[in-house]
Amino acid sequence: DAKTTQPTSMDCAEGRAANLPCNHSTISGNEYVYWYRQIHSQGPQYIIHGLKNNETNEMASLIITEDRKSSTLILPHATLRDTAVYYCIVRVLAFSGNQFYFGTGTSLTVIP
Amino acid sequence: NAGVTQTPKFQVLKTGQSMTLQCAQDMNHNSMYWYRQDPGMGLRLIYYSASEGTTDKGEVPNGYNVSRLNKREFSLRLESAAPSQTSVYFCASSETLDEEETQYFGPGTRLLVL
Repeated sequence: DAKTTQPTSMDCAEGRAANLPCNHSTISGNEYVYWYRQIHSQGPQYIIHGLKNNETNEMASLIITEDRKSSTLILPHATLRDTAVYYCIVRVLAFSGNQFYFGTGTSLTVIP
Repeated sequence: NAGVTQTPKFQVLKTGQSMTLQCAQDMNHNSMYWYRQDPGMGLRLIYYSASEGTTDKGEVPNGYNVSRLNKREFSLRLESAAPSQTSVYFCASSETLDEEETQYFGPGTRLLVL
């Protein structure tokens, strides 16, 4: 039961903005959207998260549509070190504890 | 401050053998998680522990058991390993501030079951 849908792969030129889309059409009102990335086979690394409003931090920006059915992660100036698999995740709230549902992710390749 | 540590890094087992994967965190987090990642796939939740003394099943719990030994440590046990359990196993811990939660992951344990 996939909660997010992402393109399998994307390329981006070094120095340009990378825009990674994600669909989460079944998201509930209190469920957050998180983005993580995984470089090679290392443990996933937190990037950013949001509920309704757009968010920005030192790594990226997150744009969430008004209906919350989709979002876009923006890496403003992609570098070669940003080559990784990017996961869009819906965090499901549960009484016994929260669960993060990872999809299959987008493999981003930054090209020199 | 080591974050989340996992042992061992690599392990080869024969079908039917048992083993325990260890995970520890030094960030004083309440919640801890075990995931598996198969080739070309995202992470799938096996078990989680929202607090010391509690554990709950995730998406793929069959064939595994867990123990939340104390606040720092969360172990995953394979009682009788099967080739289908060949995977990379990641442990994570998280802190929750208000309703926002960030998970921090360990480096992973690569398991091969022959």
